[in-house]
Amino acid sequence: ETGVTQSPTHLIKTRGQQVTLRCSSQSGHNTVSWYQQALGQGPQFIFQYYREEENGRGNFPPRFSGLQFPNYSSELNVNALELDDSALYLCASSAGLGSGETQYFGPGTRLLVL
Amino acid sequence: KNQVEQSPQSLIILEGKNCTLQCNYTVSPFSNLRWYKQDTGRGPVSLTIMTFSENTKSNGRYTATLDADTKQSSLHITASQLSDSASYICVVSAEGSGNNRLAFGKGNQVVVIP
Repeated sequence: ETGVTQSPTHLIKTRGQQVTLRCSSQSGHNTVSWYQQALGQGPQFIFQYYREEENGRGNFPPRFSGLQFPNYSSELNVNALELDDSALYLCASSAGLGSGETQYFGPGTRLLVL
Repeated sequence: KNQVEQSPQSLIILEGKNCTLQCNYTVSPFSNLRWYKQDTGRGPVSLTIMTFSENTKSNGRYTATLDADTKQSSLHITASQLSDSASYICVVSAEGSGNNRLAFGKGNQVVVIP
């Protein structure tokens, strides 16, 4: 176990709906990154938060938004859900921004959009 | 084109046998390379991390090698066990880029059968 938790574990939504996924980072970690992983693919970087500020964003539309709280937990919000948003959503926490900092992944939230 | 290519995409091996997974990358300038193990429906867990000056690193029955000149890495699994059935993801970081610009491979899917 990495100490990173995510909720919910599974979620079913319909097209057009909105969803909020949550992540609690490992104790002492101030950085949270969010990834989308389609079946059979590697994780795709959505965005990263460092001390409550966004620090980098991948190639995802604005309907993917996030938030980091003072306790460094984080939320991923997706508006106007599309069928292609069906995926495993992973969050990863780290102790900082450096490339040498290991990211510790949570178990993921499996989202199915119908 | 993906900056990290892994092969084979999938393989099936008998319990007790060895196997080797390959990772080729084009990320430059190179900072470090990690191998993660991802069980089905779970988050990735870090196995090894190697920097430019390291050419081999072990973690139990897992041994990773790195040739920074040819930009190749391998992960060798010795005496495979059923619990080794998972996807193994190669992740490469560029120098000075921070950990929000990681390049992920699609993974090697390993199935160990009794």
